[in-house]
Amino acid sequence: GENVEQHPSTLSVQEGDSAVIKCTYSDSASNYFPWYKQELGKRPQLIIDIRSNVGEKKDQRIAVTLNKTAKHFSLHITETQPEDSAVYFCAASHSGGSNYKLTFGKGTLLTVNP
Amino acid sequence: DTGVSQDPRHKITKRGQNVTFRCDPISEHNRLYWYRQTLGQGPEFLTYFQNEAQLEKSRLLSDRFSAERPKGSFSTLEIQRTEQGDSAMYLCASSHLGRDHNEQFFGPGTRLTVL
Repeated sequence: GENVEQHPSTLSVQEGDSAVIKCTYSDSASNYFPWYKQELGKRPQLIIDIRSNVGEKKDQRIAVTLNKTAKHFSLHITETQPEDSAVYFCAASHSGGSNYKLTFGKGTLLTVNP
Repeated sequence: DTGVSQDPRHKITKRGQNVTFRCDPISEHNRLYWYRQTLGQGPEFLTYFQNEAQLEKSRLLSDRFSAERPKGSFSTLEIQRTEQGDSAMYLCASSHLGRDHNEQFFGPGTRLTVL
């Protein structure tokens, strides 16, 4: 089955700096890669996703890049703000198969210091 | 609130008791997923429904676990003879077949504590 590795497990940045979180996946059939933000005690919220037919996607201060050959994808947050502090999870799935289940990484605790 | 809802939000039970959780997906979503999340980990897939059909179950889902989605709308997850290792957050997610493929939206979860 799919295995997703996520690094780093914790990341501390100063407000205004950029943050980068990296994930690798094992199943070459995976073609959908979402990122979720989870604040303490809250539900995971989808913040951005990318499909395997594109290499990069941007939404305001958030961008995701995908390298299918190397089987890795990354989340980039620019101009970080204290409210970006949360746990971020990457995930992978195979859309178009019999199951669209998500396989998650272990998460990255991002702390943005004011 | 038209998002995914779950009930109860918290459940404390004694080992050996049975518990049942409910998930109400977003109304037009025909896919429904159950995940389990323990502290410091990402959600782990448990089972998946498309309409009322349960199409896949994870190896994590022992025979003490059963899930149903009788009318293709809400779903229930029952754990029989609970064990301390069942303590976790149980998350439900839903998505719509044919629209944006696999955007899954999560509910707030049910936090289970087995004493």
